[in-house]
Amino acid sequence: EPEVTQTPSHQVTQMGQEVILRCVPISNHLYFYWYRQILGQKVEFLVSFYNNEISEKSEIFDDQFSVERPDGSNFTLKIRSTKLEDSAMYFCASSVGDSSYEQYFGPGTRLTVT
Amino acid sequence: QKEVEQNSGPLSVPEGAIASLNCTYSDRGSQSFFWYRQYSGKSPELIMFIYSNGDKEDGRFTAQLNKASQYVSLLIRDSQPSDSATYLCAFEGGSQGNLIFGKGTKLSVKP
Repeated sequence: EPEVTQTPSHQVTQMGQEVILRCVPISNHLYFYWYRQILGQKVEFLVSFYNNEISEKSEIFDDQFSVERPDGSNFTLKIRSTKLEDSAMYFCASSVGDSSYEQYFGPGTRLTVT
Repeated sequence: QKEVEQNSGPLSVPEGAIASLNCTYSDRGSQSFFWYRQYSGKSPELIMFIYSNGDKEDGRFTAQLNKASQYVSLLIRDSQPSDSATYLCAFEGGSQGNLIFGKGTKLSVKP
């Protein structure tokens, strides 16, 4: 069964450093999402991406964040200058359509900012 | 502010019993509702989705939606210890399908 994959599984970085989190969505899916979950809190939407552009973003997704689909398979989330409060699990998700379609989540990347 | 309310639990049921999980949502215009299961330290796993008022059954799981009351529930029949997890209710919060999640209800099934 096809699944969303994410790398790395765990990333430790120092405050102020740039990190890139990588995702490979399910191959026939067209809509891609990033979510984050701070330890003990709820899953929060960051950004949605379709047709090589951002379609929607939350207040969390400020100028420090960017997304890119550099080739036909990868989907990346970049945090330019990490802060302590960026420490969280970051989940990539994909779906075949936009609204009313099921989203399938990857295993996540645990980001620890020290 | 679009929100989902869930009882955080923990909800404890004996093995073989029916577990009932409930959720209310704020956006009357929402059309799509999802239940995800999340084991500790793992990612959300989709178990049910429902778009129409009424019941939808899939194996041991039944989702119920009442749009007039802005209420969605999940019933798990013949609960197993492996069902012990946090159950996340979510609804579609935007035109591009971004999901709004509740904090989740922790379910514990005792052997």
